[in-house]
Amino acid sequence: ETGVTQTPRHLVMGMTNKKSLKCEQHLGHNAMYWYKQSAKKPLELMFVYNFKEQTENNSVPSRFSPECPNSSHLFLHLHTLQPEDSALYLCASSQDGTRNTEAFFGQGTRLTVV
Amino acid sequence: DAKTTQPNSMESNEEEPVHLPCNHSTISGTDYIHWYRQLPSQGPEYVIHGLTSNVNNRMASLAIAEDRKSSTLILHRATLRDAAVYYCILRDRRSQGNLIFGKGTKLSVKP
Repeated sequence: ETGVTQTPRHLVMGMTNKKSLKCEQHLGHNAMYWYKQSAKKPLELMFVYNFKEQTENNSVPSRFSPECPNSSHLFLHLHTLQPEDSALYLCASSQDGTRNTEAFFGQGTRLTVV
Repeated sequence: DAKTTQPNSMESNEEEPVHLPCNHSTISGTDYIHWYRQLPSQGPEYVIHGLTSNVNNRMASLAIAEDRKSSTLILHRATLRDAAVYYCILRDRRSQGNLIFGKGTKLSVKP
């Protein structure tokens, strides 16, 4: 148990569906992250929020829309996804975005787009 | 961005020490060296980090070369539970210290 909880753990959605992934942490952290891990590929950083402000968007397609309503919660809204978007989506948090603080990861949401 | 180079895979025997190498020849003066590992079907977990001096914690030790161009993660007694992908990461100050993962080293532990 890392203190970062992701729901749901598994999700199957059609290409025309709209769904949301949720991430929650009660570690008092101020930075939160979304990563994508496709089969046999390294983790890809998608979005970074620092003190509720988005500070990084790594050229992620607009069909992925993040939301950070407060420092404890992070959402990833999904719409009109493609089969190649099937992957493990990981959320992480850290005290802040500086380079000497450790990050804590959730167990991920396994997404399958059909 | 400063990059790291790690072997794709390594094997170890249970209860023996494991030395996982990482090269980072383009490291800048204020880049921290972080190690994370990812067990099967789980998110990554923090192992250890350092800047210049060697570091020890309950999980592992980190030995950093004097010129900082390489480092070694040391697991003192490998267990089956240590089988995972180990990532050596430099926290890049230009990206506000974001964790950028490479391919890592897949460690197998034989009983």
